Amino acid sequence: EVQLVESGGGLVKPGASLKLSCVASGFTFSDYWMSWVRQTPGKTMEWIGDIKYDGSYTNYAPSLKNRFTISRDNAKSTLYLQMSNVRSEDTATYYCTRVGPWYFDFWGPGTMVTVSS
Amino acid sequence: DIQMTQSPSLLSASVGDRVTINCKASQNINKYLNWYQQKLGEAPKLLIYNTNNLQTGIPSRFSGSGSGTDYTLTISSLQPEDFGTYFCFQHNSWPTFGSGTKLEIK
Repeated sequence: EVQLVESGGGLVKPGASLKLSCVASGFTFSDYWMSWVRQTPGKTMEWIGDIKYDGSYTNYAPSLKNRFTISRDNAKSTLYLQMSNVRSEDTATYYCTRVGPWYFDFWGPGTMVTVSS
Repeated sequence: DIQMTQSPSLLSASVGDRVTINCKASQNINKYLNWYQQKLGEAPKLLIYNTNNLQTGIPSRFSGSGSGTDYTLTISSLQPEDFGTYFCFQHNSWPTFGSGTKLEIK
């Protein structure tokens, strides 16, 4: 059974940095592109970016490219999202997703990030 | 970016009803349109991919159609477990989502 479990969310102050993790199981992690998607409190979904199966290539939403970095450790079956200089508008639930043949085919339950002073 | 306009935003229906949800893209997305279901506090679940292909394990009462810029999700006979929020999603270019349709019990 495919499982994705995010962690690392919480309350963070504006301007701070935060690193989210996603541990994958139930499939060969190193065979798949992976992605991060976030959902705002108003329920708007936004694609953040994705990373190639070997970590050699990443894509980002243009508006987030300069502050967010996606990486992975295939030996640990773990995906990461490094967030820097966070803003109030980054308050959201962050989902780790597997990129299958039809794009996002499995999602984790999400981890909530609240940016507030 | 391709904008996805989803309607309605709120839909009240009864068990057994036939329900349709629509998504309109700001340009042709070549049928690269998925539908997801999300229940409160849970991860989204893939229902339909590339317009009209049912994901494994999804009941046949769900179906999708469309082409070009206009797409539809249909639930032929609503069941109690179908209530939740539905999102369309295009992956023809930079991925973008619809704004969601909350399907609630009438």
